[in-house]
Amino acid sequence: EPEVTQTPSHQVTQMGQEVILRCVPISNHLYFYWYRQILGQKVEFLVSFYNNEISEKSEIFDDQFSVERPDGSNFTLKIRSTKLEDSAMYFCASSGAGVNTGELFFGEGSRLTVL
Amino acid sequence: AQKVTQAQTEISVVEKEDVTLDCVYETRDTTYYLFWYKQPPSGELVFLIRRNSFDEQNEISGRYSWNFQKSTSSFNFTITASQVVDSAVYFCALSEARGNNRLAFGKGNQVVVIP
Repeated sequence: EPEVTQTPSHQVTQMGQEVILRCVPISNHLYFYWYRQILGQKVEFLVSFYNNEISEKSEIFDDQFSVERPDGSNFTLKIRSTKLEDSAMYFCASSGAGVNTGELFFGEGSRLTVL
Repeated sequence: AQKVTQAQTEISVVEKEDVTLDCVYETRDTTYYLFWYKQPPSGELVFLIRRNSFDEQNEISGRYSWNFQKSTSSFNFTITASQVVDSAVYFCALSEARGNNRLAFGKGNQVVVIP
């Protein structure tokens, strides 16, 4: 069964370092998303991406964040200068042709620990 | 703004008992979508069910059923005859029709099924 894959599963970094989280969405999906979940808290929307551009972003997604789909298969989230509060599980998701079908397919997450 | 409240935090049941999870939502949109997701210990988010705001028919899907009451803005979820594999965190989520699958999640219910 097709699935969303994310790498790395866990990354530890020093505050101020750049981090790139990678995702391979399901191949025929058109919409891509990043969500994050701080330990013990709710899952929060970061950004949605369609047709090679950001379609919506939350207030969390400030200038230190960027997304890219560099090669038609990978979908990356870059955090330019990490802060302690960026420590969280980051989920990539993709969905098919219909916006708001709600059936997002999530990856297993990338846990980011900022020291 | 969207808001989802899951008042219960941890619920423990003995195997084969039913468990009902409460969800109350707030939205100003007249068209919206409600979801339940499961997060097992492995960490991924698994889509379970979706409901449109204009369809209040309650359904059963296997051991899952839901009770959508628009008048009280509630979307409760029941697992019948619980099994140990049902132990997970369950998230209720809401998206508005104009949102690009921008899901607002509740804080989640930790369900522990005791064998």
